[in-house]
Formats: sequence, C-alpha cells, structure tokens
Amino acid sequence: RKEVEQDPGPFNVPEGATVAFNCTYSNSASQSFFWYRQDCRKEPKLLMSVYSSGNEDGRFTAQLNRASQYISLLIRDSKLSDSATYLCVVNPMFSGGYNKLIFGAGTRLAVHP
Amino acid sequence: DAGVIQSPRHEVTEMGQEVTLRCKPISGHDYLFWYRQTMMRGLELLIYFNNNVPIDDSGMPEDRFSAKMPNASFSTLKIQPSEPRDSAVYFCASSLGPPEAFFGQGTRLTVV
Repeated sequence: RKEVEQDPGPFNVPEGATVAFNCTYSNSASQSFFWYRQDCRKEPKLLMSVYSSGNEDGRFTAQLNRASQYISLLIRDSKLSDSATYLCVVNPMFSGGYNKLIFGAGTRLAVHP
Repeated sequence: DAGVIQSPRHEVTEMGQEVTLRCKPISGHDYLFWYRQTMMRGLELLIYFNNNVPIDDSGMPEDRFSAKMPNASFSTLKIQPSEPRDSAVYFCASSLGPPEAFFGQGTRLTVV
C-alpha cells in the first residue's frame, strides 16, 4: 500500500464550481500534512498546511481527519488559473525531529470556461 | 536569492552512459532532497541530506544511483550506467524544515 494515496482525476469542472479532493495516508504516526500545487511542467510549490482544526486561505479550505487518516482540500469558486495538479504531502516526523516529505501522486484539476 | 538551481535542465543520453545531475540549494537551507517524478510513480523521494550528511537513502532505486553533498552549496546525483527506465524528471529541493521545501525547476532526463 502506498504511504499517500490520491485519486489521480482528472477533475473537469466549470468556472465557479466547488471541487473537493481527498487523500489518505497509511502511517498513523504522521504529524504534519500539506497541500502542494504543481503546474504543468513546473516544480511543486507549497499551497497550504493542514491543521487538525482545519484552515482556510481565501477560496481554499483544508481539513484533516486523523481518525480516518485522510486529508481534504476544498476549492470554492474555481478559476481557470486553478487548473493544476494538487499534491497531498505527509511528513512522518519520526522522533528526533524533521524527517522527510512524502508526496502523493497528485490529483489533476482542469477548470474550463 | 535565485532559488534552488539545477543543471542541466534537459539531458538526453544513451543507455550505459554516466549521467550527473547538479543542484545548488538556497543559501542557509540545511536540508536537501532529491526526488524523481514519473507519470507512473509520481514524485518519489530518493535521498535527503541534513547539514551535508545523507540521512535517508532508502529511496535510491539501486546501486547505479549515488548522491553526494561535498559542501552546503552543492549536491550531485549520479547514475552509472544509465538505463531507459531512469527517464524521468529529477527534482532537487532544499528546506529549513516543514512545511515548505523549495524545488528547483528539475532536470528532464531521457535515456535512449
């Protein structure tokens, strides 16, 4: 089983739509969670962190469900510029501090006019 | 700061040849990561360094792959000999710690 699993999509949505992605992780000891965004043929970039209490950044809302070991990303009022691949990222954070970032394979979003 | 700098941006080589990928991390970042991205497997962590010391190389696919970080401003990933299945985009990233790892633009490797 992969450490981080995502639906690859693509999700094809019209402008203005609300779309949600889920991601599951296998290591229950994982401590930190993030969403990265990757545009076509570009490098991944941090979109937002995911906190247990949930967090919102403009049109983007991220939530964590530790009991079920899944993370979600909600995008409201989709824009054409939101078209990209969204990568779910887990930091196992073993004892001793920072460890590494494990990336999911990504979910592709295509927003059309 | 110019960000993480990788070279070359594109590399086409013949099977059996040695390939060396280079990375200059952001100054002051003490973590450096090498990732490989393919359509089939996504973004895989190959190896990472902390203060120039390799911490976890469990993602290195086989002995043909090696990585070094001789100083805080330079790292290399070497494949010898290269094989067609090594074709991928190789990213280098540097970080001060979670959550943000800053990625270079990647090296697109094609082995024919």
